[in-house]
Amino acid sequence: RKEVEQDPGPFNVPEGATVAFNCTYSNSASQSFFWYRQDCRKEPKLLMSVYSSGNEDGRFTAQLNRASQYISLLIRDSKLSDSATYLCGKGNNNDMRFGAGTRLTVKP
Amino acid sequence: DVKVTQSSRYLVKRTGEKVFLECVQDMDHENMFWYRQDPGLGLRLIYFSYDVKMKEKGDIPEGYSVSREKKERFSLILESASTNQTSMYLCASSSIRLAGITSSYNEQFFGPGTRLTVL
Repeated sequence: RKEVEQDPGPFNVPEGATVAFNCTYSNSASQSFFWYRQDCRKEPKLLMSVYSSGNEDGRFTAQLNRASQYISLLIRDSKLSDSATYLCGKGNNNDMRFGAGTRLTVKP
Repeated sequence: DVKVTQSSRYLVKRTGEKVFLECVQDMDHENMFWYRQDPGLGLRLIYFSYDVKMKEKGDIPEGYSVSREKKERFSLILESASTNQTSMYLCASSSIRLAGITSSYNEQFFGPGTRLTVL
């Protein structure tokens, strides 16, 4: 079983919609969690870290549920520019494992 | 501005050739990583290094080796390239995690990637 599992999508949503992605993980010793965004033919870039208490950055909200071993990303009021692949990352000390990514397309 | 650079954006090699992929970071990061990214499989960790001359196997080290002679440089080596090693290769770096701090200290910064084709 992979350490990090994601629904690959694709998620096709209209502008203005709210969309949520989940990512499940194994290895409960994991210490840090992240969401990365990857545009087509580009490298992944950090979108936000995920804290136990949940955190929000504008239209983006990340949650961590250690008991059920998943993290989530909620995007409100989707914009065309949110179209990308979203990768969840799980850090263990100094290394990182990623999910396969969830493809989001926001349509006008 | 943080920067991770990779020696080539596109590379075409023949089966059996020895291939070197170079990665350099200018952030004085201790950790460096090599991933390959394939459709449907996502990012898979090949090797990582947490210090000069140190290396650790990731999830798919077979067919690869690495070298870290200097802190800023991490090389991925394909001793004898095969067609199943055709992929996008991404290098990343991060600073060390500080004990007791839960923050983005493990944030990884990625290079632009090398698209390797093995014929």
